[in-house]
Amino acid sequence: DSGVTQTPKHLITATGQRVTLRCSPRSGDLSVYWYQQSLDQGLQFLIQYYNGEERAKGNILERFSAQQFPDLHSELNLSSLELGDSALYFCASNRGAGEQYFGPGTRLTVT
Amino acid sequence: TQLLEQSPQFLSIQEGENLTVYCNSSSVFSSLQWYRQEPGEGPVLLVTVVTGGEVKKLKRLTFQFGDARKDSSLHITAAQPGDTGLYLCAGVYAGGTSYGKLTFGQGTILTVHP
Repeated sequence: DSGVTQTPKHLITATGQRVTLRCSPRSGDLSVYWYQQSLDQGLQFLIQYYNGEERAKGNILERFSAQQFPDLHSELNLSSLELGDSALYFCASNRGAGEQYFGPGTRLTVT
Repeated sequence: TQLLEQSPQFLSIQEGENLTVYCNSSSVFSSLQWYRQEPGEGPVLLVTVVTGGEVKKLKRLTFQFGDARKDSSLHITAAQPGDTGLYLCAGVYAGGTSYGKLTFGQGTILTVHP
């Protein structure tokens, strides 16, 4: 158990809908990273937050957004969903740099 | 764009065999990590290497960081069926404003047959 929690574990929704994925980092960690994992693209970095502020952006679509709250949990919002957004979404945390600890992931299926 | 090339993509071997997975980049890493991922679960950190030429051992797994910190390898001795899984290398590139962002290789799917 990495200490990083993610909910929900599974999510099935229709195209055009909006969903919110939630992540709670390990105790003491200030930084949260979001990743998308699909069969053809591997693990892709989406976005990083550090202590409530956006720190780095990767291959995140404009339809996707994230935020980190004062209690340090983070949410990833995915809107206008398309079939191609079906993937595993992971969050990871650390104290700002170095080793990252991954949560169990949310499997999103868009039908 | 910084790319991390991982090879081979697939590896199917018999129990007891040895294997090596490679991770290469044209850019220098400040640190490199190896993860193992089981189906439907998150990647689990195996090791972090930070010093050029560093060698770390974890039971039957040996991790090596290249002298120039541009490449790394994972060697498994006497593989067992329990080693089956997806192995990922991930690096933090030196310089710039990466803020610890990890760049992942495509992964190596290892299957060890009894």
